[in-house]
Amino acid sequence: AQSVTQLGSHVSVSEGALVLLRCNYSSSVPPYLFWYVQYPNQGLQLLLKYTSAATLVKGINGFEAEFKKSETSFHLTKPSAHMSDAAEYFCAVTEGDTGRRALTFGSGTRLQVQP
Amino acid sequence: GAGVSQSPSNKVTEKGKDVELRCDPISGHTALYWYRQSLGQGLEFLIYFQGNSAPDKSGLPSDRFSAERTGGSVSTLTIQRTQQEDSAVYLCASSPTNPYEQYFGPGTRLTVT
Repeated sequence: AQSVTQLGSHVSVSEGALVLLRCNYSSSVPPYLFWYVQYPNQGLQLLLKYTSAATLVKGINGFEAEFKKSETSFHLTKPSAHMSDAAEYFCAVTEGDTGRRALTFGSGTRLQVQP
Repeated sequence: GAGVSQSPSNKVTEKGKDVELRCDPISGHTALYWYRQSLGQGLEFLIYFQGNSAPDKSGLPSDRFSAERTGGSVSTLTIQRTQQEDSAVYLCASSPTNPYEQYFGPGTRLTVT
């Protein structure tokens, strides 16, 4: 069984400040991990993915995440927030290429960027 | 190229009626997924298709829910005898042979009155 915990349902940062969105996972098999972003009234857009290659992965819009097996974490960061980053962010896990393909999502973190 | 498309974008139906939701995946994508997003339950997996077969139906919440995929392409999610708790946004995603990247459509917002 898999699960994802996102700490903080709402995060507020100032424009230009560091963005840190937390994600911890639980998986009985080596996981694949994803971050998705959802803008209002839109579907989910893939930001980045970890699939057992490099532990530091870079995605679109300047975001990156680091897979830390010892901490079972996959936190999302961006050095400098833009107003356009305001959205809801979801962390998700699957069981890799030999296991269950369905995504298990966290409950989401709404990012607010203050001018 | 064209992304995943879903229709209708919004559907309002009366309790007890049947509804059909359609998903057109990205051309050539072999895998197709249905998810549901609601305020109370967040994002939940419903069913996964590989080609026309559904090896994972574990997320379907009741026997009122069914889905099919024809020609390895279009999929239809059917909800029979809709209930108010079925109100949600139904999201479809597809992925290529590489199964790691799922691309989502804009969703169908279903409201059961």
